[in-house]
Amino acid sequence: GAVVSQHPSRVICKSGTSVKIECRSLDFQATTMFWYRQFPKQSLMLMATSNEGSKATYEQGVEKDKFLINHASLTLSTLTVTSAHPEDSSFYICSAEGRGGGYTFGSGTRLTVV
Amino acid sequence: AQSVTQPDIHITVSEGASLELRCNYSYGATPYLFWYVQSPGQGLQLLLKYFSGDTLVQGIKGFEAEFKRSQSSFNLRKPSVHWSDAAEYFCAVGAQNTGNQFYFGTGTSLTVIP
Repeated sequence: GAVVSQHPSRVICKSGTSVKIECRSLDFQATTMFWYRQFPKQSLMLMATSNEGSKATYEQGVEKDKFLINHASLTLSTLTVTSAHPEDSSFYICSAEGRGGGYTFGSGTRLTVV
Repeated sequence: AQSVTQPDIHITVSEGASLELRCNYSYGATPYLFWYVQSPGQGLQLLLKYFSGDTLVQGIKGFEAEFKRSQSSFNLRKPSVHWSDAAEYFCAVGAQNTGNQFYFGTGTSLTVIP
């Protein structure tokens, strides 16, 4: 079946640094990628939607200059958390939509900013 | 506005007992409905989905869900719970004409006791 590889699974970074999270669709072409974040004991909140080759669409309240999304190819999307702060610590997860309309989630990235 | 409600934050059942997790949605378009499971520290796994057709949907791991349009519900059921079913369960709604965005409920945490 469709597989989305998300890397890294865990990352600890210092406050003020940037962190890049990658999502790769391994055996299908992802026309659309979705990025979510999940705070402890809460549901997933959609951050942004990106289509290959175009700018991402951000949800209300999500800072596009802080959460940079790149979807340069049909198999790779990246989320970069710039100038990370402790309040950015969260679980980030991507979802990829294939041409057939199916959705596959990555395994998530646990970001801790210290 | 789109929303998904999972009324039960936490449910405890005995192993072998039946299970029903509730999900109600509010959606302006014809909804696509999903149930996902998330084990601790893990990503999301799709249990089942409803797009159209038969309102009783069979999923993986012995789960099923029934779409009831009149009640705006999509409850998840399993006739006999196993200890390995302990996890967080999320109901989600989406539609093709909204850019395929997902809206998630806040989740139901399932504990299975021996």
